[in-house]
Amino acid sequence: AQTVTQSQPEMSVQEAETVTLSCTYDTSESDYYLFWYKQPPSRQMILVIRQEAYKQQNATENRFSVNFQKAAKSFSLKISDSQLGDAAMYFCAYVGGTGTASKLTFGTGTRLQVTL
Amino acid sequence: DTGVSQNPRHKITKRGQNVTFRCDPISEHNRLYWYRQTLGQGPEFLTYFQNEAQLEKSRLLSDRFSAERPKGSFSTLEIQRTEQGDSAMYLCASSPRTYLHGYTFGSGTRLTVV
Repeated sequence: AQTVTQSQPEMSVQEAETVTLSCTYDTSESDYYLFWYKQPPSRQMILVIRQEAYKQQNATENRFSVNFQKAAKSFSLKISDSQLGDAAMYFCAYVGGTGTASKLTFGTGTRLQVTL
Repeated sequence: DTGVSQNPRHKITKRGQNVTFRCDPISEHNRLYWYRQTLGQGPEFLTYFQNEAQLEKSRLLSDRFSAERPKGSFSTLEIQRTEQGDSAMYLCASSPRTYLHGYTFGSGTRLTVV
């Protein structure tokens, strides 16, 4: 079975600074997708960024980028120029396969605080 | 389309009562998922549908839980004889068959069993 591990229950970053959230996963599959989701307090889960395992290039979405290390099974999220609105729970998630949607496996999350 | 809609937003019930939640997915999405999220944890998969067919059920989904998607549109999740351990946020998500565009989540139904 696939597992996703987020070893940082909480992180804190000052506004305008950069923070990196860690995620490791375990799988025997060669094809899969990895996601970072953001869950603000009392609000719905929002997709932040997605990485296809077959792509060597790290995904980037504006201030958000990932460091995908397939051999190490590591998938970290870097948030640059942090903003107060980035404060939320962040979940790393995995889905196996080559593109047919299936169930997501989530990590336990990292709570990000953004301070002035 | 206004996204994935879940009702009710909050439900308080007495132990032993039955509850039913509803999820309306994005209309173009043929896959629908149910997850359970307890405080401080990540969502745990319960079950998912493609159209009206239930493709997979987690072992977390005990005999007291049942989910349906009768016409391949909205879905219901019923919990019979609720227990305090059922208290959680129940999340619904939908997706196209291919997940290039990702999954869209609803705001969830928070269940409190007293």
